[in-house]
Amino acid sequence: ILNVEQSPQSLHVQEGDSTNFTCSFPSSNFYALHWYRWETAKSPEALFVMTLNGDEKKKGRISATLNTKEGYSYLYIKGSQPEDSATYLCAYIMNTGFQKLVFGTGTRLLVSP
Amino acid sequence: EPEVTQTPSHQVTQMGQEVILRCVPISNHLYFYWYRQILGQKVEFLVSFYNNEISEKSEIFDDQFSVERPDGSNFTLKIRSTKLEDSAMYFCASSPRGAGEKLFFGSGTQLSVL
Repeated sequence: ILNVEQSPQSLHVQEGDSTNFTCSFPSSNFYALHWYRWETAKSPEALFVMTLNGDEKKKGRISATLNTKEGYSYLYIKGSQPEDSATYLCAYIMNTGFQKLVFGTGTRLLVSP
Repeated sequence: EPEVTQTPSHQVTQMGQEVILRCVPISNHLYFYWYRQILGQKVEFLVSFYNNEISEKSEIFDDQFSVERPDGSNFTLKIRSTKLEDSAMYFCASSPRGAGEKLFFGSGTQLSVL
């Protein structure tokens, strides 16, 4: 059974704080790792898709790294803003499935002004 | 910006009834998906669809479920005889060239089976 774990489950920070979350996934049969940002009552929005060990991606104040050999990815938010408040989901794809995303439980971030 | 649209946003049905959830994927995308999230649980994969056929499905996607792309723009999920445990938020998604790229999700249909 594939298991994708995210930590922490929730996080409450002050505006301006930098923060990071972890996504752990099986290191074998890796194909790709997705990160999504999901605001309440909206659609999950893709942040990054990473495929290569050592990948680093950046979008504004948000960045992500990937370690496929040990099976983890970090998502970093620099200088958190209230509008960053959302649930951040990671999803793993095996190289035997190719289309099936296996999601973690998500990290719920709340940024207070 | 193009987006995936889903209708209805909420659907309430009686156990045993058939429901059809509708989605309009982004027009030049080739891969289509249904996912669902039961309250308090992870988002889980149901099915992927490419070239007018199912390319992959989960163990959840049994004979009670079917998908169709009837007219080249709509993508539907049918549940033939709903059960209480089918109550969930159902998400449609599409991708230009498969799950090696970003998926674009709709805002979901909340299905409540009474």
